[in-house]
Amino acid sequence: EPEVTQTPSHQVTQMGQEVILRCVPISNHLYFYWYRQILGQKVEFLVSFYNNEISEKSEIFDDQFSVERPDGSNFTLKIRSTKLEDSAMYFCASSVRDRQNTEAFFGQGTRLTVV
Amino acid sequence: GNSVTQMEGPVTLSEEAFLTINCTYTATGYPSLFWYVQYPGEGLQLLLKATKADDKGSNKGFEATYRKETTSFHLEKGSVQVSDSAVYFCALRFSGSARQLTFGSGTQLTVLP
Repeated sequence: EPEVTQTPSHQVTQMGQEVILRCVPISNHLYFYWYRQILGQKVEFLVSFYNNEISEKSEIFDDQFSVERPDGSNFTLKIRSTKLEDSAMYFCASSVRDRQNTEAFFGQGTRLTVV
Repeated sequence: GNSVTQMEGPVTLSEEAFLTINCTYTATGYPSLFWYVQYPGEGLQLLLKATKADDKGSNKGFEATYRKETTSFHLEKGSVQVSDSAVYFCALRFSGSARQLTFGSGTQLTVLP
């Protein structure tokens, strides 16, 4: 069964460092997303991406965040200068359509710890 | 804006007990509703969904009915198993300006043998 894969599963980084979280969406999907979950809190939307551009982003997704689809398979989230409060589980998701009734398929997550 | 309120956990049940996890929502229109499950060490998996009022989603013995009059989408299972131990997330998706999934806070379920 096709699945979304994320690497690494756990990333530890020092405050102020840049991190890149990687995702390989399901191959025939066209819409890609990043969500995050701070420990003990809700899963929150960060950004959606379609046709090589951001289609929607939340207030959380400020200038320190960026997304890219560098080739035909990978979808990355970059955090330029990490802060302690960026520590969270980051989930990548993809869907074949961006309609209300279409489910998104999630990866297993990358746990980012900023020290 | 859109929001989802879930029953707070954790919930601990004995095997074969009946499960209800409450979920209510606030939305400006008629969203689609989802339950996702996160097993230990894994990602979010879609458990079931319902896309219009009175629809019932079902999967793996779990059911949830889209109740427009009470804006609810409660998750139920008649007889839980140890393997159902996981975190359950209620979520909605709306075709308005914000098409992303809006999640509830999650409910941790532990089923004891």
